[in-house]
Amino acid sequence: DQQVKQNSPSLSVQEGRISILNCDYTNSMFDYFLWYKKYPAEGPTFLISISSIKDKNEDGRFTVFLNKSAKHLSLHIVPSQPGDSAVYFCAASGAGGTSYGKLTFGQGTILTVHP
Amino acid sequence: DTEVTQTPKHLVMGMTNKKSLKCEQHMGHRAMYWYKQKAKKPPELMFVYSYEKLSINESVPSRFSPECPNSSLLNLHLHALQPEDSALYLCASSQDRPGEETQYFGPGTRLLVL
Repeated sequence: DQQVKQNSPSLSVQEGRISILNCDYTNSMFDYFLWYKKYPAEGPTFLISISSIKDKNEDGRFTVFLNKSAKHLSLHIVPSQPGDSAVYFCAASGAGGTSYGKLTFGQGTILTVHP
Repeated sequence: DTEVTQTPKHLVMGMTNKKSLKCEQHMGHRAMYWYKQKAKKPPELMFVYSYEKLSINESVPSRFSPECPNSSLLNLHLHALQPEDSALYLCASSQDRPGEETQYFGPGTRLLVL
């Protein structure tokens, strides 16, 4: 049972345009969501997070939107740069009980930004 | 400072060897984690330590043995591994408080079991 899903395995965007990465979840107990960026053979780098009490959080070129009713979140990168090319993982936590402290990851989306 | 360090960066070991992976953080975090990541897959949680005590073991085989000597250090002892255990092993840390659940990852140890 995949509780966090990233349905697009890959996304290709032109430099300077907007990149939109999507993530859906099924567990209504999740209350904290994160986006990580990962280069091959390196650890994930934390990008941005959002608590379930908010619907938007911004940090520079990165904005995360949360739609709790649809159980959907998205990451917007504006403007996209070639250095943003990486695998992006959506993750969720807060499912409570024995799951406290666990992050549940999506399968990842490969973003390619073309010059 | 959001740095988590891991040593070694690369490790090759035979199936009869004993080796250890090390992780260190100086962010004052009280929760530390071990993950395993295979190519083209998301990180897969193995163990969670909270205040130096093991709080989650995701049914990991006993050939992997975690240890948390103090709040800044986390080790993963390896013994009699199988070739399918070859993967990137990631350490992470976080505050252990609701609302401060962001986990910060180290660069990983690339493990090859021959």
